[in-house]
Amino acid sequence: RKEVEQDPGPFNVPEGATVAFNCTYSNSASQSFFWYRQDCRKEPKLLMSVYSSGNEDGRFTAQLNRASQYISLLIRDSKLSDSATYLCVVNIGDAGNNRKLIWGLGTSLAVNP
Amino acid sequence: ETGVTQSPTHLIKTRGQQVTLRCSSQSGHNTVSWYQQALGQGPQFIFQYYREEENGRGNFPPRFSGLQFPNYSSELNVNALELDDSALYLCASSPGGGGRTYNEQFFGPGTRLTVL
Repeated sequence: RKEVEQDPGPFNVPEGATVAFNCTYSNSASQSFFWYRQDCRKEPKLLMSVYSSGNEDGRFTAQLNRASQYISLLIRDSKLSDSATYLCVVNIGDAGNNRKLIWGLGTSLAVNP
Repeated sequence: ETGVTQSPTHLIKTRGQQVTLRCSSQSGHNTVSWYQQALGQGPQFIFQYYREEENGRGNFPPRFSGLQFPNYSSELNVNALELDDSALYLCASSPGGGGRTYNEQFFGPGTRLTVL
């Protein structure tokens, strides 16, 4: 089983749709979780950190389920500009300063007019 | 813009050569991470530097090495280049310290390396 797994998609949705992505992780000691967005041939950009209590930023909602070891990203009222690849990141570093950051392969989203 | 800069933007090398890539972190950030991203793949974590010390490493061979300088800028060195090293190399800086923002990373535009 891969350390971080995402459905690669592509997800093709109409404007205004609600779309959800899941990301599963294998290491139960994982500490921090993030969603990044990457446009074609550009660098990744932080979209949201994912907190235990869940968090919302406008049309975007992120949730963490530690028991089932997955995080999710919900996008409401999709816009054309949401078309991108969404990358899940998990930090499985230890309690000290060591960091090991594992990235998923990304989920491709295409929002159509 | 994140304030993270990388140089050069593009580079072409031949197999067996050595390459040095450079990164300037965002002001106030003391942690730099390097990633390799092949086409169609997610970024692969190479290593991270925190206050000039290596602070975590992914599954890359020793011919991938790095440095962080007192001003927190960083270099990635790759020796004995192989064809499979062709990729986008991304540098990310983060604020370090405690709190939730520790691991929030801000990326530079990357260096696209082609090995022939």
